Amino acid sequence: QSALTQPASVSGSPGQSITITCTGTSSDVGSYNLVSWYQQHPGKAPKLMIYEVSKRPSGVSNRFSGSKSGNTASLTISGLQAEDEADYYCCSYAGSSTWVFGGGTKLTVL
Amino acid sequence: QITLKESGPTLVKPTQTLTLTCTFSGFSLSTSGVGVGWIRQPPGKALEWLALIYWNDDKRYSPSLKSRLTITKDTSKNQVVLTMTNMDPVDTATYYCAHRSGQLVAFDYWGQGTLVTVSS
Repeated sequence: QSALTQPASVSGSPGQSITITCTGTSSDVGSYNLVSWYQQHPGKAPKLMIYEVSKRPSGVSNRFSGSKSGNTASLTISGLQAEDEADYYCCSYAGSSTWVFGGGTKLTVL
Repeated sequence: QITLKESGPTLVKPTQTLTLTCTFSGFSLSTSGVGVGWIRQPPGKALEWLALIYWNDDKRYSPSLKSRLTITKDTSKNQVVLTMTNMDPVDTATYYCAHRSGQLVAFDYWGQGTLVTVSS
């Protein structure tokens, strides 16, 4: 069970859209529509942004969206805002009630 | 309102056993589908899933740490306890507990985390 692969960093200007990818294997991301995404600001606990690939919890902006193709899941943030600057982590069910996180992506809003 | 809070030692010595307690409110760990998990994060590094216990006492562990972890629950006290044996400096991390909803498959509420340092 290896960590999911995310780019170390992405950046974008306010108002733009960015996409963060999360690559796993046929044993985790590719086998289950159970990918979630978490936002983490410095010194804070992670916050659930997307669950089950593309669903948003109540209260999360519709600027955040998720998708999946094969072994790769993606988080897209549209209309980038300064407060979106944070670390983002993907997480996937990996079978037998186990879970695996990604290595995290630092989003910088220029 | 669901809340979780981690508690335990801030400093442990190498080879010692770490015991962390997650005290929660706003939900019951006897409700079908509900679980409480533990996730850790070394300073400046990524999140790592450790363990999860379900309402029916089903317990799951990270394959790489399974031999060192034990997770238990006390439903009457609204607590989940994680023990990790043979602590090493590489286990220095912030340890979070999180609620695993019965309605959505994700960790939807997290505690504030507790920093555990392993040093002699």
